[in-house]
Amino acid sequence: DQQVKQNSPSLSVQEGRISILNCDYTNSMFDYFLWYKKYPAEGPTFLISISSIKDKNEDGRFTVFLNKSAKHLSLHIVPSQPGDSAVYFCAAKFSGNNRLAFGKGNQVVVIP
Amino acid sequence: NAGVMQNPRHLVRRRGQEARLRCSPMKGHSHVYWYRQLPEEGLKFMVYLQKENIIDESGMPKERFSAEFPKEGPSILRIQQVVRGDSAAYFCASSPRRQESNYGYTFGSGTRLTVV
Repeated sequence: DQQVKQNSPSLSVQEGRISILNCDYTNSMFDYFLWYKKYPAEGPTFLISISSIKDKNEDGRFTVFLNKSAKHLSLHIVPSQPGDSAVYFCAAKFSGNNRLAFGKGNQVVVIP
Repeated sequence: NAGVMQNPRHLVRRRGQEARLRCSPMKGHSHVYWYRQLPEEGLKFMVYLQKENIIDESGMPKERFSAEFPKEGPSILRIQQVVRGDSAAYFCASSPRRQESNYGYTFGSGTRLTVV
């Protein structure tokens, strides 16, 4: 039962352009949403998160947008850099519960 | 200040053998989480432990899998009588306390288990 879904498993983008990653979820009780970045042979690294009471959170080149009515969030990376080439996982959790529900991930390739 | 340490990085076991995966949390962290990533899949929650306590094991398969986090030493994820379907990357994460906020916890680099 996939509660967090990431479609379009791979994305190629030119350096300097915007990368947009999408994530849909099914459980309206999720309170927090997180994005993780993962390089091959390494563990996931926390990138940015957003609370369900907000619709936008920005940290440097990374911005996450949340549309609760659509149960949809997106991660924008601008400008994209070659070091951003990685797999990006969307995750969600309930307040008071430490379990994270992950999507399958999106491979991003930034072309120099 | 070392991060979450997992060992071994790679583990090969024959079907029917036991696999023991170790995780040392970050210094000062008393909460440990285990996740499994099957090929082409996202990470799936397995178990959440504090020192000497299993808090949530709702993601653990009912048989052959067990986890512990003793008062001294690393957390251990133990898989008995491994089968080919157990081949996966197993990630451990730790946090200093129950994560009430929206901060992600810190993952280790994982143990890649291959069952032959």
